[in-house]
Amino acid sequence: KAGVTQTPRYLIKTRGQQVTLSCSPISGHRSVSWYQQTPGQGLQFLFEYFSETQRNKGNFPGRFSGRQFSNSRSEMNVSTLELGDSALYLCASSHAGETDTQYFGPGTRLTVL
Amino acid sequence: QKEVEQNSGPLSVPEGAIASLNCTYSDRGSQSFFWYRQYSGKSPELIMSIYSNGDKEDGRFTAQLNKASQYVSLLIRDSQPSDSATYLCAAEAGSTLGRLYFGRGTQLTVWP
Repeated sequence: KAGVTQTPRYLIKTRGQQVTLSCSPISGHRSVSWYQQTPGQGLQFLFEYFSETQRNKGNFPGRFSGRQFSNSRSEMNVSTLELGDSALYLCASSHAGETDTQYFGPGTRLTVL
Repeated sequence: QKEVEQNSGPLSVPEGAIASLNCTYSDRGSQSFFWYRQYSGKSPELIMSIYSNGDKEDGRFTAQLNKASQYVSLLIRDSQPSDSATYLCAAEAGSTLGRLYFGRGTQLTVWP
């Protein structure tokens, strides 16, 4: 079974631009969660989607948004990029069943200049 | 603020020794707990999950859970240099579907 895939793997943007990251979950998984990982803050929860609906959102500004499509693929968007948005963005998929085990993709490394 | 705290390390053990990693969590509603391993520059990889009090063994890894003390641990027996990585403890957010709270990680080095 193929794992979680994320594209692109690396991105370099400048302040003020916007960016869209993509995540394809493991086949059969309907939940996709997004996390931001930085050396200073560790892994921080951004949001989670299930059946095209955002069920939960972390403490991030409205510049961070996402969506999920009918095939469970998910995208996240960051508008008006700031230097502090430089991070590893990880998506994780799960069955969204009782145990909610999450499996991570390889991540997208975003650098904002 | 719900939190997961890990012994910050770094932890250094010789090859063949037992490495012990510890974690406490604040959300009493959490029922599921996970250990991930993250190599430098890579994404977290699931090692173990544990849901019930007691021990759970998988090869050289043993996870222990004590919900009364809100404590989770991971023992790595016969440590190998390839085990050198950062180990992340995570707790499912009891009231928030699809969310895990992560500790800051413990960096483990196994020297030959």
